[in-house]
Amino acid sequence: EPEVTQTPSHQVTQMGQEVILRCVPISNHLYFYWYRQILGQKVEFLVSFYNNEISEKSEIFDDQFSVERPDGSNFTLKIRSTKLEDSAMYFCASSEVRVASDLRNIQYFGAGTRLSVL
Amino acid sequence: AQKVTQAQTEISVVEKEDVTLDCVYETRDTTYYLFWYKQPPSGELVFLIRRNSFDEQNEISGRYSWNFQKSTSSFNFTITASQVVDSAVYFCALAIQGAQKLVFGQGTRLTINP
Repeated sequence: EPEVTQTPSHQVTQMGQEVILRCVPISNHLYFYWYRQILGQKVEFLVSFYNNEISEKSEIFDDQFSVERPDGSNFTLKIRSTKLEDSAMYFCASSEVRVASDLRNIQYFGAGTRLSVL
Repeated sequence: AQKVTQAQTEISVVEKEDVTLDCVYETRDTTYYLFWYKQPPSGELVFLIRRNSFDEQNEISGRYSWNFQKSTSSFNFTITASQVVDSAVYFCALAIQGAQKLVFGQGTRLTINP
């Protein structure tokens, strides 16, 4: 069964360092998402991406964050200068379609990357 | 703004018991979509079900069933004859027409004891 793959599973970094979290979405999916889950809290939407553009983003997704699809398979989230409060589990998701009424509009998630900022 | 509330933080039952996970949502939109995801100990979020706001039919899939009631803004999830493998965190989520993001509840940690 196709799945979303995220690497690494755990990333440890020093405050102020840049990190890049990587995701390989399901191959025929065109819409990509990042969410985060701070320990013990709910899963929160960060950004959605389609056709090499951000289509929606949350207040959390400030100038420190950026997303990119550098090639035909990868989708990355970059945090430019990490802060302690960026420590969280980051989930990548992808969907086949974007139209909400389409029954195929289901976001499939990866296993997440746990980011620890020291 | 949309909101999803899962008031049960943790539930612990003995295997073979039935268990219901509650989900209450808030939205002013008349068209919306509800989801349940399972997060097993391995960490990934596994899609379980999607329900449209205009379809209030309850759904059953094996030991899983979902009760959608617009009148009470609830979308509850019942596991019948629970098994240890059902132990996980379960999330309810909401999406509205025209938006792409999922709004998640806090999750309910379900532990099934042998």
